[in-house]
Amino acid sequence: EDQVTQSPEALRLQEGESSSLNCSYTVSGLRGLFWYRQDPGKGPEFLFTLYSAGEEKEKERLKATLTKKESFLHITAPKPEDSATYLCAVQAGATNKLIFGTGTLLAVQP
Amino acid sequence: NAGVMQNPRHLVRRRGQEARLRCSPMKGHSHVYWYRQLPEEGLKFMVYLQKENIIDESGMPKERFSAEFPKEGPSILRIQQVVRGDSAAYFCASASGGSGNTIYFGEGSWLTVV
Repeated sequence: EDQVTQSPEALRLQEGESSSLNCSYTVSGLRGLFWYRQDPGKGPEFLFTLYSAGEEKEKERLKATLTKKESFLHITAPKPEDSATYLCAVQAGATNKLIFGTGTLLAVQP
Repeated sequence: NAGVMQNPRHLVRRRGQEARLRCSPMKGHSHVYWYRQLPEEGLKFMVYLQKENIIDESGMPKERFSAEFPKEGPSILRIQQVVRGDSAAYFCASASGGSGNTIYFGEGSWLTVV
């Protein structure tokens, strides 16, 4: 069964303290790995899609990387406005549905 | 996010009533997904539709839930005879195509059953 696991469940950082979020997956036939950001009371906001091992994408203070078993979301010098829940999802198999992890709740303190 | 429109944003229903949630996909998108998010849980896939067709409904409860995406108009997620356990946030997402295309989410519809 396709599965996505995110760690840690929650992470508290000081402003400027860089760190990484992990997303490990077991799927048959990965078509894409997606990262989203979700603020309270809002819908998931698209960040990145990665398609193959070795691929990297960057956006402002965020950088996503992909291996054959996991993806990392690196946050460099975070700011309080980066506080949110970060969701990882995989698109795999015969259907196009996304299978989500339970997310990492990030809190960046000033 | 702003491109996928969901309404109502908040809906309160009494047990046994029906709830209808609407989703207008982004312009040019013909693929629609519905997800449910329970408090303290992740997003769970419910159904995947293309215009006039249900492609994958493996996440839909067998009873009381149905979805459609007609040729004209929004996609509708319908919940009949709601129970307290149906209280959740329901998110719609859309994409222009299938595999690998970016999937954009709406702001969600929050259903409360009293």
